[in-house]
Amino acid sequence: DGGITQSPKYLFRKEGQNVTLSCEQNLNHDAMYWYRQDPGQGLRLIYYSQIVNDFQKGDIAEGYSVSREKKESFPLTVTSAQKNPTAFYLCASSGPGQGYNEQFFGPGTRLTVL
Amino acid sequence: GESVGLHLPTLSVQEGDNSIINCAYSNSASDYFIWYKQESGKGPQFIIDIRSNMDKRQGQRVTVLLNKTVKHLSLQIAATQPGDSAVYFCAESYTGNQFYFGTGTSLTVIP
Repeated sequence: DGGITQSPKYLFRKEGQNVTLSCEQNLNHDAMYWYRQDPGQGLRLIYYSQIVNDFQKGDIAEGYSVSREKKESFPLTVTSAQKNPTAFYLCASSGPGQGYNEQFFGPGTRLTVL
Repeated sequence: GESVGLHLPTLSVQEGDNSIINCAYSNSASDYFIWYKQESGKGPQFIIDIRSNMDKRQGQRVTVLLNKTVKHLSLQIAATQPGDSAVYFCAESYTGNQFYFGTGTSLTVIP
């Protein structure tokens, strides 16, 4: 089955710890995205990558980091510098190439900081 | 209706009635729009898209209307069913790569 997967579904973290969220796609999409969703709000872009080994900051990149070493994978690290990390994190991909393509979303990871 | 930055509006409809969900987008240069459906605790699902060279596009039980003059987008759902209950988002793009999402409208279908 083709699709985009995120793991884990639920994640708990203590304050001061870094945590990495996984995102994998087997759709052969070039572009991948990370969004954050807070209750009653729309999706806000954290980082995106249009091609392997390249990525750009979105609107709320502070306190987050990413890597794109493989086309299929776009992990997001939530660092201790992120002031309010508790949220629902969504990964998306689109393709082929760049341009006007719908974004396919993963099932999301709900991160809770204890 | 929905707009970037507003609190989540709600819409309740009777099963079998038609639903209309509205979205005011912000950038007059946006030329690609998508409607997504999001059920609780899940990722958004694509419903329908439209380019700015079109005013209307139809899918299965759904129609999207685009009015570029007033920067308004609407989603019409025909014969609304309980399974349609969800939050609906519009998204706009002027690059085809980055999208900007509205806050969403919560649709509740009353059996």
